[in-house]
Amino acid sequence: DIVLTQTPLSSPVTLGQPASMSCKSSQNLVYTDGNTYLSWLHQRPGQPPRLLIYKISNRVSGVPDRFSGSGAGTDFTLKISRVEAEDVGVYYCMQSTQFPHTFGGGTKVEI
Amino acid sequence: QSTLKESGPTLVKPTQTLTLTCTFSGLSLSRTGVAVGWIRQPPGKALEWLGMIYWDDNKHYRPSLESRLTITKDTSKNQVVLTVTNMDPVDTATYYCGYRQGYCSSGTCSWDYLGQGSPVTVSS
Repeated sequence: DIVLTQTPLSSPVTLGQPASMSCKSSQNLVYTDGNTYLSWLHQRPGQPPRLLIYKISNRVSGVPDRFSGSGAGTDFTLKISRVEAEDVGVYYCMQSTQFPHTFGGGTKVEI
Repeated sequence: QSTLKESGPTLVKPTQTLTLTCTFSGLSLSRTGVAVGWIRQPPGKALEWLGMIYWDDNKHYRPSLESRLTITKDTSKNQVVLTVTNMDPVDTATYYCGYRQGYCSSGTCSWDYLGQGSPVTVSS
Protein backbone atom coordinates (compact mmCIF):
# COMPACT_ATOMS: atom_id res chain seq x y z
CA ASP A 1 0.00 0.00 0.00
CA ILE A 2 1.07 3.59 -0.62
CA VAL A 3 1.75 5.39 2.64
CA LEU A 4 1.01 9.11 2.86
CA THR A 5 2.78 10.96 5.65
CA GLN A 6 1.39 14.34 6.62
CA THR A 7 3.24 16.98 8.58
CA PRO A 8 2.82 18.70 10.88
CA LEU A 9 0.35 16.70 12.95
CA SER A 10 -0.98 19.95 14.36
CA SER A 11 -0.64 23.52 13.20
CA PRO A 12 -1.57 26.39 15.48
CA VAL A 13 -2.39 29.35 13.29
CA THR A 14 -3.29 33.00 13.65
CA LEU A 15 -6.27 34.39 11.83
CA GLY A 16 -5.20 36.22 8.72
CA GLN A 17 -1.83 34.50 8.63
CA PRO A 18 -0.73 31.80 6.17
CA ALA A 19 -0.64 28.10 6.89
CA SER A 20 1.07 25.28 5.08
CA MET A 21 1.08 21.52 5.37
CA SER A 22 2.93 18.70 3.68
CA CYS A 23 1.98 15.29 2.32
CA LYS A 24 4.74 12.88 1.33
CA SER A 25 4.05 9.67 -0.52
CA SER A 26 6.01 6.43 -0.25
CA GLN A 27 5.66 6.01 -4.02
CA ASN A 28 5.42 8.22 -7.05
CA LEU A 29 1.75 9.13 -7.59
CA VAL A 30 1.91 9.72 -11.34
CA TYR A 31 -0.53 7.35 -13.02
CA THR A 32 0.00 5.74 -16.43
CA ASP A 33 -2.28 8.36 -18.02
CA GLY A 34 0.08 11.11 -16.87
CA ASN A 35 -2.23 12.45 -14.17
CA THR A 36 -1.35 12.57 -10.47
CA TYR A 37 -4.35 11.61 -8.39
CA LEU A 38 -3.59 13.40 -5.17
CA SER A 39 -6.46 15.25 -3.50
CA TRP A 40 -7.02 17.20 -0.29
CA LEU A 41 -10.10 16.96 1.91
CA HIS A 42 -11.12 19.12 4.87
CA GLN A 43 -13.03 17.83 7.85
CA ARG A 44 -14.53 20.24 10.33
CA PRO A 45 -15.29 18.91 13.83
CA GLY A 46 -18.34 16.67 13.78
CA GLN A 47 -18.69 16.93 10.01
CA PRO A 48 -17.92 14.59 7.11
CA PRO A 49 -14.85 15.34 5.01
CA ARG A 50 -15.26 17.65 2.04
CA LEU A 51 -13.19 17.66 -1.11
CA LEU A 52 -11.13 20.83 -1.57
CA ILE A 53 -8.52 20.11 -4.19
CA TYR A 54 -7.99 17.32 -6.71
CA LYS A 55 -5.16 16.33 -9.06
CA ILE A 56 -2.66 18.23 -6.92
CA SER A 57 -3.82 21.77 -7.59
CA ASN A 58 -7.39 21.95 -8.94
CA ARG A 59 -9.83 23.65 -6.59
CA VAL A 60 -13.35 22.27 -6.40
CA SER A 61 -16.04 24.74 -7.39
CA GLY A 62 -16.84 27.02 -4.45
CA VAL A 63 -13.53 26.55 -2.65
CA PRO A 64 -11.96 29.94 -1.90
CA ASP A 65 -8.84 30.85 -3.80
CA ARG A 66 -6.90 31.26 -0.55
CA PHE A 67 -6.46 27.48 -0.79
CA SER A 68 -3.78 26.24 -3.15
CA GLY A 69 -2.20 22.89 -3.80
CA SER A 70 1.17 22.17 -5.34
CA GLY A 71 3.78 19.47 -5.72
CA ALA A 72 4.74 16.58 -7.91
CA GLY A 73 5.77 12.94 -7.74
CA THR A 74 5.97 12.17 -4.03
CA ASP A 75 5.90 15.59 -2.34
CA PHE A 76 2.80 17.74 -2.07
CA THR A 77 1.75 20.86 -0.22
CA LEU A 78 -1.50 22.54 0.72
CA LYS A 79 -1.33 26.23 1.54
CA ILE A 80 -3.86 28.60 2.99
CA SER A 81 -2.85 32.17 2.19
CA ARG A 82 -4.83 33.81 4.98
CA VAL A 83 -6.48 31.56 7.54
CA GLU A 84 -10.09 32.25 8.43
CA ALA A 85 -12.04 30.88 11.37
CA GLU A 86 -13.98 28.45 9.16
CA ASP A 87 -10.72 26.79 8.08
CA VAL A 88 -10.22 24.99 11.39
CA GLY A 89 -10.36 21.22 11.34
CA VAL A 90 -8.32 18.38 9.94
CA TYR A 91 -6.92 18.30 6.44
CA TYR A 92 -6.31 14.94 4.78
CA CYS A 93 -4.42 14.15 1.62
CA MET A 94 -5.61 11.14 -0.34
CA GLN A 95 -4.14 9.22 -3.25
CA SER A 96 -6.31 7.46 -5.82
CA THR A 97 -3.50 6.56 -8.20
CA GLN A 98 -3.19 3.02 -6.91
CA PHE A 99 -5.47 0.57 -5.12
CA PRO A 100 -6.07 0.51 -2.26
CA HIS A 101 -6.64 4.24 -2.11
CA THR A 102 -5.03 5.66 1.01
CA PHE A 103 -5.25 8.71 3.22
CA GLY A 104 -2.64 10.54 5.18
CA GLY A 105 -2.91 10.77 8.93
CA GLY A 106 -4.18 14.34 8.77
CA THR A 107 -2.99 17.79 9.83
CA LYS A 108 -5.08 19.53 12.44
CA VAL A 109 -5.42 23.28 11.99
CA GLU A 110 -6.44 25.16 15.10
CA ILE A 111 -6.57 28.83 15.94
CA GLN B 1 -29.41 18.86 -4.83
CA SER B 2 -27.10 15.86 -4.66
CA THR B 3 -27.03 13.95 -1.42
CA LEU B 4 -26.04 10.62 0.03
CA LYS B 5 -27.32 9.14 3.25
CA GLU B 6 -26.05 6.11 5.14
CA SER B 7 -28.39 3.96 7.20
CA GLY B 8 -27.95 0.92 9.38
CA PRO B 9 -27.48 -0.27 12.95
CA THR B 10 -25.52 1.81 15.40
CA LEU B 11 -24.61 -1.18 17.57
CA VAL B 12 -23.53 -4.65 16.54
CA LYS B 13 -22.11 -7.51 18.58
CA PRO B 14 -18.73 -9.09 17.91
CA THR B 15 -18.85 -11.77 15.18
CA GLN B 16 -22.08 -10.34 13.78
CA THR B 17 -22.46 -9.02 10.23
CA LEU B 18 -22.87 -5.30 9.61
CA THR B 19 -25.05 -4.15 6.75
CA LEU B 20 -25.09 -0.48 5.79
CA THR B 21 -27.12 1.08 3.00
CA CYS B 22 -26.16 4.20 1.10
CA THR B 23 -29.12 5.90 -0.56
CA PHE B 24 -28.39 8.76 -2.91
CA SER B 25 -30.51 11.35 -4.64
CA GLY B 26 -29.75 13.70 -7.47
CA LEU B 27 -27.02 11.26 -8.50
CA SER B 28 -26.92 8.17 -10.66
CA LEU B 29 -24.87 5.00 -10.64
CA SER B 30 -25.81 4.21 -14.21
CA ARG B 31 -23.67 6.94 -15.76
CA THR B 32 -20.44 5.76 -17.33
CA GLY B 33 -17.44 6.16 -15.08
CA VAL B 34 -19.37 6.74 -11.86
CA ALA B 35 -18.36 4.97 -8.66
CA VAL B 36 -19.74 4.77 -5.13
CA GLY B 37 -17.56 3.68 -2.27
CA TRP B 38 -17.09 3.46 1.46
CA ILE B 39 -14.59 4.93 3.86
CA ARG B 40 -14.56 4.73 7.63
CA GLN B 41 -13.11 6.67 10.52
CA PRO B 42 -12.48 5.17 13.97
CA PRO B 43 -13.10 7.64 16.81
CA GLY B 44 -10.36 10.26 16.87
CA LYS B 45 -8.47 8.61 14.03
CA ALA B 46 -7.80 9.10 10.34
CA LEU B 47 -9.89 8.07 7.36
CA GLU B 48 -9.61 4.58 5.91
CA TRP B 49 -10.68 3.57 2.40
CA LEU B 50 -12.71 0.36 2.30
CA GLY B 51 -13.81 -0.19 -1.28
CA MET B 52 -15.74 0.96 -4.35
CA ILE B 53 -18.28 -0.30 -6.86
CA TYR B 54 -18.47 1.09 -10.38
CA TRP B 55 -21.28 1.75 -12.81
CA ASP B 56 -20.36 -1.47 -14.66
CA ASP B 57 -20.40 -3.53 -11.41
CA ASN B 58 -16.62 -3.73 -11.23
CA LYS B 59 -15.36 -3.56 -7.65
CA HIS B 60 -12.22 -2.87 -5.66
CA TYR B 61 -11.72 -3.69 -1.98
CA ARG B 62 -9.13 -2.95 0.65
CA PRO B 63 -6.94 -6.07 0.47
CA SER B 64 -6.59 -6.45 4.24
CA LEU B 65 -10.38 -6.57 4.61
CA GLU B 66 -11.38 -8.10 1.30
CA SER B 67 -12.41 -11.44 2.76
CA ARG B 68 -14.93 -9.67 5.00
CA LEU B 69 -16.28 -6.96 2.67
CA THR B 70 -19.00 -7.06 0.05
CA ILE B 71 -20.31 -4.04 -1.84
CA THR B 72 -23.39 -4.36 -4.03
CA LYS B 73 -25.59 -1.91 -5.89
CA ASP B 74 -29.21 -1.53 -6.86
CA THR B 75 -29.19 1.09 -9.57
CA SER B 76 -32.98 1.25 -9.81
CA LYS B 77 -33.18 2.17 -6.12
CA ASN B 78 -30.13 4.45 -6.14
CA GLN B 79 -28.62 2.37 -3.36
CA VAL B 80 -25.30 0.80 -2.55
CA VAL B 81 -24.95 -1.72 0.26
CA LEU B 82 -21.85 -2.48 2.32
CA THR B 83 -21.65 -5.77 4.19
CA VAL B 84 -18.91 -6.48 6.71
CA THR B 85 -18.79 -9.93 8.24
CA ASN B 86 -17.31 -11.05 11.56
CA MET B 87 -17.36 -7.60 13.14
CA ASP B 88 -14.82 -6.85 15.85
CA PRO B 89 -14.47 -3.96 18.32
CA VAL B 90 -11.65 -2.56 16.14
CA ASP B 91 -14.27 -2.03 13.43
CA THR B 92 -15.95 0.59 15.60
CA ALA B 93 -16.06 3.68 13.40
CA THR B 94 -18.18 6.17 11.51
CA TYR B 95 -18.83 4.74 8.05
CA TYR B 96 -19.18 7.17 5.15
CA CYS B 97 -20.38 6.49 1.66
CA GLY B 98 -19.00 8.60 -1.14
CA TYR B 99 -19.70 9.29 -4.79
CA ARG B 100 -17.22 9.84 -7.58
CA GLN B 101 -18.44 11.49 -10.75
CA GLY B 102 -17.10 9.98 -13.93
CA TYR B 103 -13.71 8.74 -15.01
CA CYS B 104 -10.59 9.78 -13.15
CA SER B 105 -8.95 11.27 -16.21
CA SER B 106 -11.80 13.73 -16.79
CA GLY B 107 -12.94 14.25 -13.20
CA THR B 108 -11.61 14.63 -9.70
CA CYS B 109 -10.89 10.95 -9.07
CA SER B 110 -11.86 11.67 -5.50
CA TRP B 111 -14.96 11.93 -3.34
CA ASP B 112 -17.15 14.53 -5.02
CA TYR B 113 -19.90 13.90 -2.50
CA LEU B 114 -19.87 12.24 0.92
CA GLY B 115 -22.72 11.32 3.23
CA GLN B 116 -23.03 12.51 6.81
CA GLY B 117 -21.77 9.18 8.10
CA SER B 118 -23.21 6.29 10.08
CA PRO B 119 -21.63 5.61 13.49
CA VAL B 120 -21.22 1.94 14.31
CA THR B 121 -20.11 0.55 17.66
CA VAL B 122 -19.07 -3.07 18.03
CA SER B 123 -19.63 -4.27 21.56
CA SER B 124 -21.18 -7.18 23.39
